[in-house]
Amino acid sequence: AQSVTQPDIHITVSEGASLELRCNYSYGATPYLFWYVQSPGQGLQLLLKYFSGDTLVQGIKGFEAEFKRSQSSFNLRKPSVHWSDAAEYFCAVGTNDMRFGAGTRLTVKP
Amino acid sequence: EAGVAQSPRYKIIEKRQSVAFWCNPISGHATLYWYQQILGQGPKLLIQFQNNGVVDDSQLPKDRFSAERLKGVDSTLKIQPAKLEDSAVYLCASSLGSGRYEQYFGPGTRLTVT
Repeated sequence: AQSVTQPDIHITVSEGASLELRCNYSYGATPYLFWYVQSPGQGLQLLLKYFSGDTLVQGIKGFEAEFKRSQSSFNLRKPSVHWSDAAEYFCAVGTNDMRFGAGTRLTVKP
Repeated sequence: EAGVAQSPRYKIIEKRQSVAFWCNPISGHATLYWYQQILGQGPKLLIQFQNNGVVDDSQLPKDRFSAERLKGVDSTLKIQPAKLEDSAVYLCASSLGSGRYEQYFGPGTRLTVT
């Protein structure tokens, strides 16, 4: 069965510092992988997605993610965090039956 | 382009009462999803419609939850009777089709059952 693990419940970084959010997945075939961001009181917004091809995926707002099949990982990165990036981040796997991780809350220190 | 609309945004009910949520997807989107997001967890798919037909409702608690999308556009999700553990945010999403099409999410309805 497909599943997603986000090991970090809460991460705090300083503004301007780099960011990496971890995501590990379990999936029977070649996975479709997604990262979503959710700000308080808002719905989820797609940051980026991976279906096939180049394993380094570029998304919106300066985010990127790298698919590593050998590690079953799809970690999200950003070289320099802005205060507006503070939100909840969800990794997801699948297509129709999409499974979400429990999320990682990002706090940005000034 | 208008996004996915949901109403109400907030609802407080007592246990054993009934409640209904409404979703209006993005125009032209054939696929509609309802998710339940309990505090501290990721969204969980409850039901997926393709036009007005159900594609997947395997995680819908059918003894108390029901959903319909009669004309292949708007959808309603109903809970009857509600339990305390139904307190959650109910998210509606839509996409052009199933599979690799991006899902667009509405702002959600926050339900509190007391």
